[in-house]
Amino acid sequence: SAVISQKPSRDICQRGTSLTIQCQVDSQVTMMFWYRQQPGQSLTLIATANQGSEATYESGFVIDKFPISRPNLTFSTLTVSNMSPEDSSIYLCSVEGLAGDHQYEQYFGPGTRLTVT
Amino acid sequence: SQQGEEDPQALSIQEGENATMNCSYKTSINNLQWYRQNSGRGLVHLILIRSNEREKHSGRLRVTLDTSKKSSSLLITASRAADTASYFCATGGSNYKLTFGKGTLLTVNP
Repeated sequence: SAVISQKPSRDICQRGTSLTIQCQVDSQVTMMFWYRQQPGQSLTLIATANQGSEATYESGFVIDKFPISRPNLTFSTLTVSNMSPEDSSIYLCSVEGLAGDHQYEQYFGPGTRLTVT
Repeated sequence: SQQGEEDPQALSIQEGENATMNCSYKTSINNLQWYRQNSGRGLVHLILIRSNEREKHSGRLRVTLDTSKKSSSLLITASRAADTASYFCATGGSNYKLTFGKGTLLTVNP
C-alpha cells in the first residue's frame, strides 16, 4: 500500500484564519480524497482532488470554504478558510489502492487534528 | 447522510474472546470495507468484500456480506488488547467514493 504523510499533524488556530494541510504520497495515484472527522463522529467525504482540474465537492462542502489543489499525482492540499470552532476536526486524505485485488481499497494518511479557538 | 450503521456502538470484551460487529446499509453497493482507527489517528484498511462475495477471511478477521439484507459483519477471533480501537464499515461504489458508518468502539480488556 502507498505511504501517505500529512502536514501539519496538528494545529491550534484562531477563528477567522486559514490553514493549509498538505498530503504527500510516495507513489503516483489517480484518485485522492479529503475527509473530515468531527469530534466523536465518523468520516465524511469533503471532495475528490482531481489532478489538473477543479476538485469535485460533496453536498454541503464548497470551494470557497475548502479550496483544494492537486498539482501532480503525488501531492494535494486542502485549505480550511475563515475558520470557526465548528471546523475543529481531524482532516484526512486518502488514496485509492492498486488495481487488481486491491482495487477500490483506500489508504489513509495519519490525519491533521485541527482545533479552532 | 450516513450509509452504514454499525451495531453495537460500543463493545467491551476480555482478551481471548471473539468480537462481532455488524453494519447495515441502505442502497446498493459495489463493495463494503472495514477500517480500524486507534485513538483518533489515521484509518487502517482491514478488509474489502465485493458485492458478489459472501465471506472473506484475513488472519483473525472474518467478514460476511448479505446483500439481500444489506448487512455485513466483522468477526475478530481471539481478541488482543492491541485490537482496542474504533471499527468503521464503509460502503463503496464504482466511483471509489466511500460512505462511512458511525463506528463501533471496541475495548479489549487484558
